[in-house]
Amino acid sequence: EAQVTQNPRYLITVTGKKLTVTCSQNMNHEYMSWYRQDPGLGLRQIYYSMNVEVTDKGDVPEGYKVSRKEKRNFPLILESPSPNQTSLYFCASRSKREADTQYFGPGTRLTVL
Amino acid sequence: AQKITQTQPGMFVQEKEAVTLDCTYDTSDPSYGLFWYKQPSSGEMIFLIYQGSYDQQNATEGRYSLNFQKARKSANLVISASQLGDSAMYFCAMREGIGGANNLFFGTGTRLTVIP
Repeated sequence: EAQVTQNPRYLITVTGKKLTVTCSQNMNHEYMSWYRQDPGLGLRQIYYSMNVEVTDKGDVPEGYKVSRKEKRNFPLILESPSPNQTSLYFCASRSKREADTQYFGPGTRLTVL
Repeated sequence: AQKITQTQPGMFVQEKEAVTLDCTYDTSDPSYGLFWYKQPSSGEMIFLIYQGSYDQQNATEGRYSLNFQKARKSANLVISASQLGDSAMYFCAMREGIGGANNLFFGTGTRLTVIP
């Protein structure tokens, strides 16, 4: 089954404790992205990657890091989480040949205390 | 300027009736794609329908259709014969440049409630 998976699905942590949210896709997609969703703001892109070792900032990259060492994985790293990073996070992927698709993961609900 | 504007924070519709969710967009790129997603209370993002800027006909997918008015820069979602399961948040989104990178610009969403 074609899918994007994220782990963990739910996470409560404390300010300053480094964490990683994993994202993996099994569709051999070139493009992968991270979004955050906040009430009243819709989804906003954090980082994206066009292929292995190719990443770039989205609209709200501050406080986040990413890496793309393998085509299927695109982890999101919060080196020193802060309460304003409490949000719902989505990973997404698509093939560069298919402009009309975008596959989303199930979401990770993060709370930073 | 907002790239995607959804002016209806909330909408109500009677079961079995049709409803239109509004979306306007702003871009100077001649190549773009428009998406609608449904987000139920469980949180996942469910793809509904896509319209490319060069598509001549309005997109349709089952009970969903996209009323694409290019000159007005609007891409309204029409849901026919509403069902209780249609109650959810609905997001309009746009990607600029068909072959471009992965950024989708999202609106703030419309919460649809279907009344029995």
